[in-house]
This record gives sequence, structure tokens and C-alpha cells, in this order.
Amino acid sequence: DTGVSQDPRHKITKRGQNVTFRCDPISEHNRLYWYRQTLGQGPEFLTYFQNEAQLEKSRLLSDRFSAERPKGSFSTLEIQRTEQGDSAMYLCATIGGARETQYFGPGTRLLVL
Amino acid sequence: AQTVTQSQPEMSVQEAETVTLSCTYDTSESDYYLFWYKQPPSRQMILVIRQEAYKQQNATENRFSVNFQKAAKSFSLKISDSQLGDAAMYFCAYDGGSNYKLTFGKGTLLTVNP
Repeated sequence: DTGVSQDPRHKITKRGQNVTFRCDPISEHNRLYWYRQTLGQGPEFLTYFQNEAQLEKSRLLSDRFSAERPKGSFSTLEIQRTEQGDSAMYLCATIGGARETQYFGPGTRLLVL
Repeated sequence: AQTVTQSQPEMSVQEAETVTLSCTYDTSESDYYLFWYKQPPSRQMILVIRQEAYKQQNATENRFSVNFQKAAKSFSLKISDSQLGDAAMYFCAYDGGSNYKLTFGKGTLLTVNP
């Protein structure tokens, strides 16, 4: 257990529905990252927060995706109007300081039917 | 853009033997970090070992060691005395930007045979 938790662990939804995932980081970690991992691939960077500020977004993050980190604590990732191509594992990782190890959560596995 | 290449989609090793997983990367940065992460089936990704590019000495963590060749942009992982619990997907990752985001390879699936 890395100390990073994610909820839910699994989500099945129908195409067109909205879904929201949550990540609870290690309390003293101010940097938080979201990655997406599709089957047979390595994780790909989606977005990054330092405290409550979202500082970078990948081109992978379409307009249907939005992420927040209110008060610099937990973070949410919302996908609106889900598509089958959104099916993937969504990973959260946090880091406490510059160039320290990123600690990953267990991920949320999304299946869009 | 930085890229990370793992050329071995799958590897297998006999228990107690040694195996080496390969990783190459492309970057124009001089200061960066490299990582090997392990992802067991349906379990969390955990760090195996990290290497700072400015350090010439290869990192070692118990049975895990790396061969870091900066000029060749190569970063291989050696697992000695392989154990059944080492079976997992192994990802090589690069961190070279100001935001410390990781760029991952596609992974190598390691099977350990008893």
C-alpha cells in the first residue's frame, strides 16, 4: 500500500454517461498527477496539479475531461459523455518534493459499454 | 519529445536465475531521472529502483540493479536470484521536465518459472 487511494476501483458505465473518479493523496504531498493506462501500454500523462493549481494538461485530455483539486487535497477527474475509447485504467500519483518518487494509487478501471 | 522504448514485450526466467530487462530513451536534457516501476497483476504500481542522471554510479536495491549508460541512453534492469513474486509488468520511466511528469515505456511482462 503506497498511501494513495482511489475510488472507485472499478466502474462500468454506458456510453454517453458521465463518470467521476477520486484520488486521495498522501497528506503532505503537494504534487498530484493523473495518468491513463490502456491495455498493453504504459501509463500516459493526463494532467498535473501543484497544490490546487492545475499546471499542465496533456493533449490527451479532451474537452470532455475535467480535473479539480480543491484546497490542494483530494482530486477528482470527471469524464463527460463517455465514449468506448475512454475505457482504460486511470491512475493517480503523488509526489512530495522535487524529483522525488511518485507514489501511485491502485487505479480506477473504467469500462464503457 | 522524450520517448522511452522497451524492446522486450515479454521475458521469462527460471526461479533463482538472473534476468535483464532493457530500456532505451531519447532526450536532449542533461539532468533527468530514470525509474523502473513494477506492476503486479491487479495491484498497485510500485517503485523498484531510481537513477539520477548526474550520478555515474549505478543504483542498486537488494536484488535489483541497473546498468545506466548515459551516452548510449540505455537503462537496463538486472534482477538477480529471481523469485516467484518478481513476476509482474515492469515499466521503465523517464522524468526530465520541470513538472516531473513521467514518460513510460510500453512495459515488459516478466514471468518467473518455478
